[in-house]
Amino acid sequence: ETGVTQTPRHLVMGMTNKKSLKCEQHLGHNAMYWYKQSAKKPLELMFVYSLEERVENNSVPSRFSPECPNSSHLFLHLHTLQPEDSALYLCASSQVAGEAFFGQGTRLTVV
Amino acid sequence: DQQVKQNSPSLSVQEGRISILNCDYTNSMFDYFLWYKKYPAEGPTFLISISSIKDKNEDGRFTVFLNKSAKHLSLHIVPSQPGDSAVYFCAASSLSGTYKYIFGTGTRLKVLA
Repeated sequence: ETGVTQTPRHLVMGMTNKKSLKCEQHLGHNAMYWYKQSAKKPLELMFVYSLEERVENNSVPSRFSPECPNSSHLFLHLHTLQPEDSALYLCASSQVAGEAFFGQGTRLTVV
Repeated sequence: DQQVKQNSPSLSVQEGRISILNCDYTNSMFDYFLWYKKYPAEGPTFLISISSIKDKNEDGRFTVFLNKSAKHLSLHIVPSQPGDSAVYFCAASSLSGTYKYIFGTGTRLKVLA
């Protein structure tokens, strides 16, 4: 248990669906992240929120929309995804100048 | 352009021997480095870190070495145990608070019993 909880753990969605991934951290951290892990690729940073403000958007397509309503919660809203978006989506949190703690991830399959 | 590289995709080591995992980086602004361990279908778990003011950090069986001039770091695991079998990622960041952790592609370690 890392203190970062992601739901759901698995998600299958059609290309016309809208779904959301949820992340919650109980560590009192002030930064939260979304990463994407595809097969045989490094973890790709998607978004960073610091103190609920988005500080990084790493050229992610607009079909991925993050939301950070408070410092403990982070969402990733998904709509009209493509099959190539199938991947493991990881949420993490950290303090400044500290290690990032990751959730268990959501395995997303787009059909 | 990949700023953090792990050039060995896999490594096999006999139980009880030393495992050495390597990582190279290109961006001289990085001053904080981390190693993570990942099992299938789980998130990465933090193992050990080092800041650029040090050249070595040790935690039990895990030691990380940093060679700033070569922009190279390594993770030593000794003695290696079968439970260490996993994918290991190195990551680099900046203590100036840019909030970016850049990861390598990972090295799959298999410890043979």
